[in-house]
Amino acid sequence: ETGVTQTPRHLVMGMTNKKSLKCEQHLGHNAMYWYKQSAKKPLELMFVYNFKEQTENNSVPSRFSPECPNSSHLFLHLHTLQPEDSALYLCASSHRGTSGGAQETQYFGPGTRLLVL
Amino acid sequence: AQSVTQPDIHITVSEGASLELRCNYSYGATPYLFWYVQSPGQGLQLLLKYFSGDTLVQGIKGFEAEFKRSQSSFNLRKPSVHWSDAAEYFCAVGPYNQGGKLIFGQGTELSVKP
Repeated sequence: ETGVTQTPRHLVMGMTNKKSLKCEQHLGHNAMYWYKQSAKKPLELMFVYNFKEQTENNSVPSRFSPECPNSSHLFLHLHTLQPEDSALYLCASSHRGTSGGAQETQYFGPGTRLLVL
Repeated sequence: AQSVTQPDIHITVSEGASLELRCNYSYGATPYLFWYVQSPGQGLQLLLKYFSGDTLVQGIKGFEAEFKRSQSSFNLRKPSVHWSDAAEYFCAVGPYNQGGKLIFGQGTELSVKP
């Protein structure tokens, strides 16, 4: 596998379910990101991990819980979601150097299309 | 506040015609600028980026973009559009030293007429 992979590609869940989204990057990067893409809205950054440490939580509700066990894997644990959480969830990765995030290029996975019923 | 504006929600061009997609940003310092493309059901693919140097940057698939500081713009161009270019295009700004945070525009959907 090359690049950034995400599983599952599609997910349907009820509001009481618990599920997890998985992201894996094969690029040797050390920073990973979760974005939410809703229809007709700009991409919203949710979480940033730098060297496995969470460095950004963009006021995301606690029903979304990220986990980064190592620099290659990123999870998004979902529980008691709402229908408005239905969206495309995109994972991205980049190489974090010494510039604090400047001049980085983020590479994106194909996304998980989530439908909450 | 930092922001990115893509004024055109939807553009339709004929195959073989030239294309320009507009992007304007608001940021107090030198931004780092990106264009991404998203085909239906897919993630975002990087087309090109500007960090410094020559203000005209070349990307993949025959795309180019020009950074104009005086106009706070980073418009994407292609001289001859192919049907396979139909997709959604996103402009993004990466502010310096903010942990890799990208600010995206709302996107421009491109349709190509045969």
